[in-house]
Amino acid sequence: EAQVTQNPRYLITVTGKKLTVTCSQNMNHEYMSWYRQDPGLGLRQIYYSMNVEVTDKGDVPEGYKVSRKEKRNFPLILESPSPNQTSLYFCASSLRQGAYYGYTFGSGTRLTVV
Amino acid sequence: KQEVTQIPAALSVPEGENLVLNCSFTDSAIYNLQWFRQDPGKGLTSLLLIQSSQREQTSGRLNASLDKSSGRSTLYIAASQPGDSATYLCAVSFVSGNQFYFGTGTSLTVIP
Repeated sequence: EAQVTQNPRYLITVTGKKLTVTCSQNMNHEYMSWYRQDPGLGLRQIYYSMNVEVTDKGDVPEGYKVSRKEKRNFPLILESPSPNQTSLYFCASSLRQGAYYGYTFGSGTRLTVV
Repeated sequence: KQEVTQIPAALSVPEGENLVLNCSFTDSAIYNLQWFRQDPGKGLTSLLLIQSSQREQTSGRLNASLDKSSGRSTLYIAASQPGDSATYLCAVSFVSGNQFYFGTGTSLTVIP
């Protein structure tokens, strides 16, 4: 089944403890992206990747890192999480940006930083 | 910066009504527009994808239209059901830039 898989689904952590949220897609998509969703603010893009080893900042990249060493994986790294990064996070992928294909989203990761 | 706006933010209708959700965007140069449904605390389910060259797409009771020149899309839901209650999001892929911008959504409640 074609899908985007995020892990974990739920995570509670303490301020400053490094964490990684994984994202993997099995559709050979070139484009991958991370979003965070907050009440009243909607979905905002954190980082995106046009292809392997090509990443760029979205609208809210502060406090996050990403890497794209393989086509299928696009992990989101929080080096020193803070409470304002408590949010619902989504990973998405598309065949490529601008193609005649839409986006497929993962099921989300609910992160709480205390 | 491109923007995507959805009005109204919330909508409550009795079961059986036909309804229209609106999405507007600031730049007519787009690759495509996608409508999603999100249930509370859940992920996004793709409903319809409209390419920039298309005027509308249909799936079951859903019909989405696109008017690029005016920067608008509408999602028409026919004969609404309580199971349609959810938040509906539109997202636009603009030609300028490499990002996919979301509106803040319309929260729909269909009352039995």
